[in-house]
Parts: sequence; structure tokens; C-alpha cells
Amino acid sequence: DAGITQSPRHKVTETGTPVTLRCHQTENHRYMYWYRQDPGHGLRLIHYSYGVKDTDKGEVSDGYSVSRSKTEDFLLTLESATSSQTSVYFCAISGTSNEQFFGPGTRLTVL
Amino acid sequence: AQTVTQSQPEMSVQEAETVTLSCTYDTSENNYYLFWYKQPPSRQMILVIRQEAYKQQNATENRFSVNFQKAAKSFSLKISDSQLGDTAMYFCAFMNLKGAQKLVFGQGTRLTINP
Repeated sequence: DAGITQSPRHKVTETGTPVTLRCHQTENHRYMYWYRQDPGHGLRLIHYSYGVKDTDKGEVSDGYSVSRSKTEDFLLTLESATSSQTSVYFCAISGTSNEQFFGPGTRLTVL
Repeated sequence: AQTVTQSQPEMSVQEAETVTLSCTYDTSENNYYLFWYKQPPSRQMILVIRQEAYKQQNATENRFSVNFQKAAKSFSLKISDSQLGDTAMYFCAFMNLKGAQKLVFGQGTRLTINP
């Protein structure tokens, strides 16, 4: 299995609070991604990174920001969480094989 | 922009039967990959099979095979001799080989294998 972890695995927070999710990899892969999974939508790309300090927006980036200060870590921040951001969040990594490996997911509930 | 459509929200078959999951996609690109991912109740995303668009031969992995029709933009997954452990959500996904290897997913098909 690819060395990819996410923390926390579960989080409950209140509307308006900031939230940061962490993705950590031990594979030294160049690309890292954040997706959200919602019923009826599959997985949708939020942001991605193609190198340290190199990030770009995905399909559903509004309300989210990301940072990548080291190859191994990719952070997703919700500056002010809303109930519409209740979801399961997946991190993924990709190297030279054109195959993405997924983390275990984080279930976030915004009350 | 690419889109991926899975028109079967749910399917159910008996153990040992063969089942086919449908997927269509829309793209103007010529170089891409297609994937099927399995998501069991554990929530882990597991790669089942992948197909390179430049290959005419359909990919197979043990009991899993695909029917890739490039002109029709169709990519179905066939599961032979289905097992209880095949019960899961299945997602079709498209990857444009230009740029950052981003995946575009379909909505998913919930497959239940009944004993």
C-alpha cells in the first residue's frame, strides 16, 4: 500500500470555525490532491499540488485553501466552515505511473 | 472539460453471476487513461483496473475486465463469478494525460452481491 495518511480521521466542528486537514505521504510523489465525496456526485477535485509551493484550483475550490511547504505534506484549510462542507475528504498522491493512490479519508461534520 | 457518467445508481445480482457496470465519458482529448475504482464499506478507494486509451486491447485483471469502445466513449466493467466481497461502490474515472494527472469521477454505482 502507498504510504499515505490523513489526519484527523473524523472531526465534528461548528459553523464559522477554521478547520485544517492534513495529508502526509512517504512516497516522495510529486502530485498531491484533495477530493471531497458526496452522495450522487462521486469524488470531486478541490485543489491539487504539482510541487512544493505549487498549487492550483480544482472543480470545487470555493471556501477552501491549500498549502504545501514540504513534499510530504499537503494541508487543506476551511477558513470558516459551513454546513455545505460536511463531507468525506480524500487525499491522493500520484507519481510517474499515472495512477493515483488514496488515503483513508476524513469524515468532517459541520454543525 | 471532461465529464463521466454512470447511469446505474444501484445494481444487485446473485453470487456467482456476471454483472456489467456502465460508464460513458465525454472528452476532446486523445491521450487519456480510464479507471475503475472500488470503494467497500471501509471507505478505502481501491484501484480495480485501468485502460490506456491508445491500447485497443481491453484490460483484464482476474475476474474483472473492461469493454473499452473509444469511438463511442464507453468504458464498462464486467465482473465474472461475482463474490460477496465484490459488494461495494464502484467509480469510473477519467484522467487526461496533459497536465497534473487529475481524475474526473462518475457518480458511482452501488453494487450488492446477494448470497
